[in-house]
Amino acid sequence: EIVLTQSPGTLSLSPGERATLSCRASQSVNSNYLAWYQQKPGQAPRLLIYGASSRATGIPDRFSGSGSGTDFTLTISRLEPEDAAVYYCQQYGNSWTFGQGTKMEIK
Amino acid sequence: QVQLVESGGGVVQPGRSLRLSCAASGFTFSNYGMHWVRQAPGKGLEWVAVISFDGSDIYYEDSVKGRFSISRDNSKNTLYLLMDSLRPEDTAVYYCTKGVVVIASYFQHWGQGTLVSVSS
Repeated sequence: EIVLTQSPGTLSLSPGERATLSCRASQSVNSNYLAWYQQKPGQAPRLLIYGASSRATGIPDRFSGSGSGTDFTLTISRLEPEDAAVYYCQQYGNSWTFGQGTKMEIK
Repeated sequence: QVQLVESGGGVVQPGRSLRLSCAASGFTFSNYGMHWVRQAPGKGLEWVAVISFDGSDIYYEDSVKGRFSISRDNSKNTLYLLMDSLRPEDTAVYYCTKGVVVIASYFQHWGQGTLVSVSS
């Protein structure tokens, strides 16, 4: 099983700042089959990024994904108050596993 | 637009069974793989099971193998999860999710979830 480790556990930044979230895999992710989701309290998760770097439909270009192999990054440029949420990475190249999540707090 | 509506959750005693349903609309259900994903209270996301578009490929997370059964009825646009021998650790919100055409898929759309609580 591929284990995904996300860091940091919590990120606290101000509106307008840039956020960098990390996701590290215990082994290489096949074909960069890596996705990112955003989950706000009381809501279902929402797909942000798939294939490591492709934005899902309707996702603002403030959200971008990068990386390959075992190291992946979600970047949120110009943070907005509504970006407060928990962000999960997920791999789908070898079964399906999620990271433990990064909580984004907006000051 | 894509809609996934789960039902069937509730409070159940350990060792009992429960069947979840997910009614799909807004897309050609029979063309897509479907998954169940769960989230224990205050915890992260955990993939549970997947079924291919035609039901020919099915996979389960290790802790539910032999206890849970995923199925689909393409004539009714409905996905199911039959959960037997339920344990307290199965307590979670269960989400129905739509993949893409191939089974190795991210979760493109999610339902609102249904809560299963296993307690005596």
